[in-house]
Amino acid sequence: QQQVKQSPQSLIVQKGGISIINCAYENTAFDYFPWYQQFPGKGPALLIAIRPDVSEKKEGRFTISFNKSAKQFSLHIMDSQPGDSATYFCAASPSGYSTLTFGKGTMLLVSP
Amino acid sequence: KAGVTQTPRYLIKTRGQQVTLSCSPISGHRSVSWYQQTPGQGLQFLFEYFSETQRNKGNFPGRFSGRQFSNSRSEMNVSTLELGDSALYLCASRVSGVDTQYFGPGTRLTVL
Repeated sequence: QQQVKQSPQSLIVQKGGISIINCAYENTAFDYFPWYQQFPGKGPALLIAIRPDVSEKKEGRFTISFNKSAKQFSLHIMDSQPGDSATYFCAASPSGYSTLTFGKGTMLLVSP
Repeated sequence: KAGVTQTPRYLIKTRGQQVTLSCSPISGHRSVSWYQQTPGQGLQFLFEYFSETQRNKGNFPGRFSGRQFSNSRSEMNVSTLELGDSALYLCASRVSGVDTQYFGPGTRLTVL
């Protein structure tokens, strides 16, 4: 199976709060897991990515947590800001391939 | 460095017509991939080109085709357009051997 399941579909968080988006995958050949952020009218932009040999990766306010045994990974946005309001996609692919399989996306709204 | 550029940005066609979309990758990027984004199916991989050769192909009918030129620029063609082909078509480029893909702004195709 090539699916990547993402939840929730939409999320409303207050300014300063923590936004959490979860993804699960089935294909054990996946070993590259990026998160993309997309604003209306724009293409997806890479936020942060992780590989299975690391359980957590942090870049600024964005953290990926990875659970290899459960085949799950999640994005945490700390101190969420209204400018973070966008659609977030998790994705996965075998390393060295461009064949990203995307989750369905999470529409995040950060209220002021 | 300039990002991935796609032309045209918007296109309106009628059923049965064909369309050609263009993508110029980031300078030095020889791998170009195409994705289709729709509200219902999300982001789906179409195909990848590297050094003028198709390297991977997604699960799309033969009406969808592409090519890559010696300067790494790529085009995708959709023949005999159907209403369901209305979508945002995204191009992404990467350096061979590196997983990070950079997306362009997309071409919004509307089929009437």
